[in-house]
Amino acid sequence: EDKVVQSPLSLVVHEGDTVTLNCSYEVTNFRSLLWYKQEKKAPTFLFMLTSSGIEKKSGRLSSILDKKELFSILNITATQTGDSAVYLCAVERGNNDMRFGAGTRLTVKP
Amino acid sequence: EPEVTQTPSHQVTQMGQEVILRCVPISNHLYFYWYRQILGQKVEFLVSFYNNEISEKSEIFDDQFSVERPDGSNFTLKIRSTKLEDSAMYFCASDGGSGKRYEQYFGPGTRLTVT
Repeated sequence: EDKVVQSPLSLVVHEGDTVTLNCSYEVTNFRSLLWYKQEKKAPTFLFMLTSSGIEKKSGRLSSILDKKELFSILNITATQTGDSAVYLCAVERGNNDMRFGAGTRLTVKP
Repeated sequence: EPEVTQTPSHQVTQMGQEVILRCVPISNHLYFYWYRQILGQKVEFLVSFYNNEISEKSEIFDDQFSVERPDGSNFTLKIRSTKLEDSAMYFCASDGGSGKRYEQYFGPGTRLTVT
């Protein structure tokens, strides 16, 4: 059965800390892996990864995919309280089917 | 900045009633999706829609569910006979504009409460 597993499920850090969120997957017909940030309501897109070993960066956030070991990490450096959210990993399979992980709830304390 | 919109923001209905959730995807997008998120649980894929037909659906999307793009702008999800377990936040998403596949933009969601 296809699955997307995120770890840890929750994480509490202090401002300025660096965090690494993990996403492992087992899916048939993998096409891409996406990271989303979900605050109060709808997820917002962060990154899409299709190739192994190529880091994507946006400000303090970065992500990389390992298609051999079937995982991705999302790094956030110099965390701020505004980074507090649930971070969702999703894997797109062939034919427009997306599977989400359960999410990692990140809390950044001042 | 263009955005996906959804109406209503909150719908309360009685078990067995039909509901229609409405979405207006971003205008130049080509792929449309419905997801649901039961309170405290993960986001679950329901269905994807492209070129006026369903391209993929999950096991959740049974005969009680249907989708439609009745005109050039709206994308609807109909639940024929609601059950208590249909209570969830329903998100619409779209992508495929300007060659940017898979960067899905989500609407704000409709909270469906079935009593």
